[in-house]
Amino acid sequence: EPEVTQTPSHQVTQMGQEVILRCVPISNHLYFYWYRQILGQKVEFLVSFYNNEISEKSEIFDDQFSVERPDGSNFTLKIRSTKLEDSAMYFCASSGDRGTDTQYFGPGTRLTVL
Amino acid sequence: AQTVTQSQPEMSVQEAETVTLSCTYDTSESDYYLFWYKQPPSRQMILVIRQEAYKQQNATENRFSVNFQKAAKSFSLKISDSQLGDAAMYFCAYVHSGAGSYQLTFGKGTKLSVIP
Repeated sequence: EPEVTQTPSHQVTQMGQEVILRCVPISNHLYFYWYRQILGQKVEFLVSFYNNEISEKSEIFDDQFSVERPDGSNFTLKIRSTKLEDSAMYFCASSGDRGTDTQYFGPGTRLTVL
Repeated sequence: AQTVTQSQPEMSVQEAETVTLSCTYDTSESDYYLFWYKQPPSRQMILVIRQEAYKQQNATENRFSVNFQKAAKSFSLKISDSQLGDAAMYFCAYVHSGAGSYQLTFGKGTKLSVIP
């Protein structure tokens, strides 16, 4: 069964460093998302991406964040200058050819900022 | 803005018994979708069940079923014949089906423990 994959599973970085989190969505999906979950809290939406552009973003997704689909398979989230409060689990999700299709999540990347 | 409320931070159930997890939501929209996701200790988010608001029939998926009450804005999850592998965090989520806005809004979750 097709699944969303994410790398790395765990990333440790120093405050102020740039990190890139990588995702490979399900191959025939057209909508891509990033969510984050701070430990012990609920899952929060960051950004959605469709047709090679951001379709929606939350207040959390400020200028420090960017997304890119550099080729036909990868979908990346970049944090330019990490802060301690960026420590969280980051989930990539994808859905089919309609925005209301079910979103399938990857296993997540645990980001730890020291 | 839409909100999703899960009023039970923790629940427990005996193995083989039935448990119901509650979820209410607030929206002014008439067309939307509701989901239950399971998050085991591995923290992967796994889809359990999906309900379309326009469908009156409650969704079922093997041992999992929902009680969808649109007028009351209630969407509870029933797990029958509970198994040890059902122990996890369960998140209720909402998405509006309006054009261009497909972000999932999650509740805070219910931690389910299954007692052998």
